[in-house]
Amino acid sequence: EAGVAQSPRYKIIEKRQSVAFWCNPISGHATLYWYQQILGQGPKLLIQFQNNGVVDDSQLPKDRFSAERLKGVDSTLKIQPAKLEDSAVYLCASSSNRPEAFFGQGTRLTVV
Amino acid sequence: GEDVEQSLFLSVREGDSSVINCTYTDSSSTYLYWYKQEPGAGLQLLTYIFSNMDMKQDQRLTVLLNKKDKHLSLRIADTQTGDSAIYFCAASFSGGYNKLIFGAGTRLAVHP
Repeated sequence: EAGVAQSPRYKIIEKRQSVAFWCNPISGHATLYWYQQILGQGPKLLIQFQNNGVVDDSQLPKDRFSAERLKGVDSTLKIQPAKLEDSAVYLCASSSNRPEAFFGQGTRLTVV
Repeated sequence: GEDVEQSLFLSVREGDSSVINCTYTDSSSTYLYWYKQEPGAGLQLLTYIFSNMDMKQDQRLTVLLNKKDKHLSLRIADTQTGDSAIYFCAASFSGGYNKLIFGAGTRLAVHP
C-alpha cells in the first residue's frame, strides 16, 4: 500500500512570497489532515477534511493560509503572503474509518 | 482546552528498558497514540490504545494507560541505538472527527 505522498520536500522562499504544498493521501482514506510542526514542538493541526468538506479549521490563520481538497482526494495548502514565523515542517496525514492516521514525509519550509 | 504533555528528554543505555511518559487533559479521548519521528522524516505510527484498555503489548513495545490519572506510558524493552528518535504522544479529541492533539515530543537518546 502506497503511503501519503507530499511535495515538495523542501522549499525556501522570501517573506511576503507565496507557496503551495501538495498532498496525495492513501487511496480510499476519507480524512485528510494538514499539520504544522515548528522546530522543537509537536505537530499542530491546521485543517482537517472529511472527503472534500472541512470539519476543523479552527487553528488555520485564514488571513494568509488556505487549503482545498478537490474531489475528496488530493489536497493543496497555500500560504500567501508568507511570514518568517511560518518556517516549519508541514505534514499531511490521512485516515480511513479506523483509528490509525498515517503521515507523509513532510515539506520543510524556510522563510527568509 | 485539550492538552498533551511529555517530558522532553530521556537517555538510556543500550539493552536497558526505556519508559516514556505522557499526560493528557481530555478525559473522553477515545484513542491514545505513540508516534516515532527520526531526523528529517515524517511521523511513524508505533501503536495506539483504545481508552477502555489499560495495557497493550506489541513485540518490544508495551503501552500502559491509567485513565483515572490520564497518564499514558510507552515502554521499549531491550532499547537499541536504532530506537534513538523523538517519540510523540497523541490523544484523539472527543469533539472532532478523530482530531489528534500531540505533545511536544520526548527525545530518546540511546548510548552504548
